[in-house]
Amino acid sequence: QVQVVQSGAEVKKPGASVRVSCKASGYTFTDYYIHWVRQAPGQGLEWMGWINPNSGGTNYAQKFQDWVTMTRDTSISTAYMDLSRLRSDDTAVYYCARSILTVVKGFDYWGQGTLLTVSS
Amino acid sequence: SYELTQPPSVSVSPGQTASITCSGDKLGDKYVCWYQQKPGQSPVLVIDQDSKRPSGIPERFSGSNSGNTATLTISGTQAMDEADYYCQAWDTSTVVFGGGTKLTVL
Repeated sequence: QVQVVQSGAEVKKPGASVRVSCKASGYTFTDYYIHWVRQAPGQGLEWMGWINPNSGGTNYAQKFQDWVTMTRDTSISTAYMDLSRLRSDDTAVYYCARSILTVVKGFDYWGQGTLLTVSS
Repeated sequence: SYELTQPPSVSVSPGQTASITCSGDKLGDKYVCWYQQKPGQSPVLVIDQDSKRPSGIPERFSGSNSGNTATLTISGTQAMDEADYYCQAWDTSTVVFGGGTKLTVL
């Protein structure tokens, strides 16, 4: 069965960097985009970008272009999201989710979310 | 950048029909998806490609999309449907979410 499992909660200080991982199983990793979506406390969903695990190509939301990096390791079916120069307003739950490469469709499987707390 | 607009809240009585709208410029030219999110949980896809229900989603959930407005309709709303609902669309290679609608079942 399809599973998308994220790394655990993180606490970071302002100015630091963080890496969140997203391990996929139960399907062909390179057939689906991995998207990253964040949700600040009490707020809505905010799309950050996607990575195409097949090519390694990425597309970041304009807001995040200078401080997010998305990568993948196809040998272990894992995607990573690195966020640098953290600020307190980066405190949020970060989700990864998949959508198929070949057709415009929704995100059918989501990770459990990773809580990032940025505090001095 | 492309924007999707949803009402912040919608209320419905149990057993009645709830309609949640999502508006955007020429939205009918794009595919719209809808997600349900309950407190402390990850979002769940309830409507894909305007009107398709993924496996396991009850038949009471339906969707439509035309002109500038997409609509999620929940027929015979149940207490378990109380949640936040988000619309989502692709704009060329980027993804946009609506601001979300809190559905209250009174």
